[in-house]
Amino acid sequence: KAGVTQTPRYLIKTRGQQVTLSCSPISGHRSVSWYQQTPGQGLQFLFEYFSETQRNKGNFPGRFSGRQFSNSRSEMNVSTLELGDSALYLCASSLVYGRSTDTQYFGPGTRLTVL
Amino acid sequence: DQQVKQNSPSLSVQEGRISILNCDYTNSMFDYFLWYKKYPAEGPTFLISISSIKDKNEDGRFTVFLNKSAKHLSLHIVPSQPGDSAVYFCAARSSIQGAQKLVFGQGTRLTINP
Repeated sequence: KAGVTQTPRYLIKTRGQQVTLSCSPISGHRSVSWYQQTPGQGLQFLFEYFSETQRNKGNFPGRFSGRQFSNSRSEMNVSTLELGDSALYLCASSLVYGRSTDTQYFGPGTRLTVL
Repeated sequence: DQQVKQNSPSLSVQEGRISILNCDYTNSMFDYFLWYKKYPAEGPTFLISISSIKDKNEDGRFTVFLNKSAKHLSLHIVPSQPGDSAVYFCAARSSIQGAQKLVFGQGTRLTINP
């Protein structure tokens, strides 16, 4: 079974631009969550989706948004990029939503560099 | 407010010996705990998990212990192998406060010396 896939793997943008990152969960998984990893802040939760609905959101500005499609694939968007948005963006998928023992499996990440 | 803490940024262990990685948490609502292993520029790889109703879970060379009263968990790797060298993250989740939201520690870099 294929794992979580994320595209693109690497991205370079300039300040003020916007970016869209894509995530395809493991086949059969219906819940997707997104995380940002930076050297200073570590791994931080961005948001989670299930049944095309955002279920929870982390403490990030409104420039960060996402969505989930009917096939469970998800995208996240960052508008008006800032230098501090440079990070590894990770997507994780799990089978369902709300089951306390469900394990999340991560993709390889998208490395975003903002110049 | 760091709800999950890994107080040792790094750990060095001899090959074949036991590696013990520690993690403390403050939120009593956490009911599921996971350990991930991570290499640079890659996503975290799931290792092992434990529910708050248990105090121990084993999977091959990996064992996780949970002490709820102390709000402490540890990951034991026996025997340690060179391929275990990586950064290890402890993560916790509350099914009430946000079903899939993981709160991560800052990580411990484990180095296995031959």
